[in-house]
Amino acid sequence: DAGVIQSPRHEVTEMGQEVTLRCKPISGHNSLFWYRQTMMRGLELLIYFNNNVPIDDSGMPEDRFSAKMPNASFSTLKIQPSEPRDSAVYFCASSTLAGGPGTQYFGPGTRLLVL
Amino acid sequence: AQTVTQSQPEMSVQEAETVTLSCTYDTSESDYYLFWYKQPPSRQMILVIRQEAYKQQNATENRFSVNFQKAAKSFSLKISDSQLGDAAMYFCAYRSARAGSYQLTFGKGTKLSVIP
Repeated sequence: DAGVIQSPRHEVTEMGQEVTLRCKPISGHNSLFWYRQTMMRGLELLIYFNNNVPIDDSGMPEDRFSAKMPNASFSTLKIQPSEPRDSAVYFCASSTLAGGPGTQYFGPGTRLLVL
Repeated sequence: AQTVTQSQPEMSVQEAETVTLSCTYDTSESDYYLFWYKQPPSRQMILVIRQEAYKQQNATENRFSVNFQKAAKSFSLKISDSQLGDAAMYFCAYRSARAGSYQLTFGKGTKLSVIP
């Protein structure tokens, strides 16, 4: 079975440019999470969706960040305009809503560098 | 809000030996889940083991086992017969069992080195 798929794996861009990160969750999973990982702040939850609906976006740092999930198999995280402090590894994870641990399975991450 | 603390930023272990990574958490809830994730240099986050708080029995997955002490809010990871491939960052994570609460709260991580 395919795991969580993220693209691109690496992105280098210049300050002020728009960046779009993409995620395909595991088929059948109905929760999707976006995390950001930096040395200073560790792993932070940015936003998560249940059944394609955003549930908690309190972790989104500011209005420059937006996330969408138009269907059960695709989500995007957009940064516009990007800034050097957005440089980080961005992870997408998915899980089921069924009872139990709801284990989250992570994608390989997108390493973003904003110059 | 829940917090997860990993007090050991770095640990090292001799190959084939046993090492224990510490994790404590703070919560007022009685039902929750705990996880250990491994992050090797590739950056991929890999689930190592999970524990349901309502289960008294400690979880085990091959060479990996946990010591879950609910009253002490402690969830340590024991790696037996350490292998070179175990070298990685290890993250402890907490998830509430409340309906609608699906997010993970992570600790800062412990970097494990394995010495040949």
